[in-house]
Amino acid sequence: ILNVEQSPQSLHVQEGDSTNFTCSFPSSNFYALHWYRWETAKSPEALFVMTLNGDEKKKGRISATLNTKEGYSYLYIKGSQPEDSATYLCASLAEDQFYFGTGTSLTVIP
Amino acid sequence: DAGVTQSPTHLIKTRGQQVTLRCSPKSGHDTVSWYQQALGQGPQFIFQYYEEEERQRGNFPDRFSGHQFPNYSSELNVNALLLGDSALYLCASSLSLGLYNSPLHFGNGTRLTVT
Repeated sequence: ILNVEQSPQSLHVQEGDSTNFTCSFPSSNFYALHWYRWETAKSPEALFVMTLNGDEKKKGRISATLNTKEGYSYLYIKGSQPEDSATYLCASLAEDQFYFGTGTSLTVIP
Repeated sequence: DAGVTQSPTHLIKTRGQQVTLRCSPKSGHDTVSWYQQALGQGPQFIFQYYEEEERQRGNFPDRFSGHQFPNYSSELNVNALLLGDSALYLCASSLSLGLYNSPLHFGNGTRLTVT
């Protein structure tokens, strides 16, 4: 069983602030790293799929980086908006299954 | 284009009973995975079905079983329910050929409460 850790567990920011979260995973047997956004009463929605060391992905105000050698990924949100409020999950694909972290709960205060 | 649908939305069962949860994958997807999310935890992988066979299994007892039908829909069965089985059960579909670079598409989940 692989241990995927996310920090912080929860975060409250003011609208317009930029923020970032961390996902740590074992670097051995790594195949891919996924980020998902999970809004209340909805299903988790994929943000990024990253496979290569040094990968950088961007979607609007949200971006992510990947370091497979040291086993971490950062998710950045620039200029947070209330609609960004959600739980952000990362999942590491290893040994042919996904191992999820417990998520970072983000609340953006208007 | 229908996404992943799960039924029922909520379910209350008594210890020792059996339960069946259902999932229809996103159109065009052939692989279905099931996850259990207990309170305060991240989703934990139960098993994955492809071509009507269980391909991968997580660290769950044999009380958890599943099935995939020719139309790619899937069922999760849990026998001899325990209080600890209370959780949100998520179904996710994907394309088998894109395992590494294809995202999972999730349903809204089934909330199971065992009393």
